[in-house]
Amino acid sequence: DTGVSQNPRHKITKRGQNVTFRCDPISEHNRLYWYRQTLGQGPEFLTYFQNEAQLEKSRLLSDRFSAERPKGSFSTLEIQRTEQGDSAMYLCASSPSGRGDTIYFGEGSWLTVV
Amino acid sequence: SQQGEEDPQALSIQEGENATMNCSYKTSINNLQWYRQNSGRGLVHLILIRSNEREKHSGRLRVTLDTSKKSSSLLITASRAADTASYFCATDTAGNKLTFGGGTRVLVKP
Repeated sequence: DTGVSQNPRHKITKRGQNVTFRCDPISEHNRLYWYRQTLGQGPEFLTYFQNEAQLEKSRLLSDRFSAERPKGSFSTLEIQRTEQGDSAMYLCASSPSGRGDTIYFGEGSWLTVV
Repeated sequence: SQQGEEDPQALSIQEGENATMNCSYKTSINNLQWYRQNSGRGLVHLILIRSNEREKHSGRLRVTLDTSKKSSSLLITASRAADTASYFCATDTAGNKLTFGGGTRVLVKP
């Protein structure tokens, strides 16, 4: 069991550019979550998938954000036209089914928008 | 909005001492999970406690849950310098996602 894997770990981008993060969940985990965390704060929920279906999106997920999980395995989180306020760590997590399971997090992807 | 709120926000102790942090929440929960986060790293799962449980142990960790008071506590016994980290409680209210508090930053001095 290799754990939740996220790439890239660090990304520096210029304002206005698009960025994409990838998450590979633990094998056979049906639930996949994206969270965002800014310095000194707790993680904030963005969205989650049950297999390939995106079941809930937070109001934090503006129109510039899109997440996909095309085959119910890995997921991507794309941010278009990045803004300085998007600078944060983006955390991916997975769980077997989501119904009261332990949720396992990856190491996160740091985004710095300059 | 945050469901869980940790107290204290920061804690400084000497190696070997016990560290206790508390988490309060607002609505009924299915379970509550505690995580550790080292600076700049991801979240490491520590303990999950379900709403029908009152206490759980894992190594030097002890978690209690009082659903009548909507609160939980995490006790780290015989702390080590390696326990220096931020600790977060997270509540699962509907069986579909976690809501986190702001965390307790623990510094264990050697």
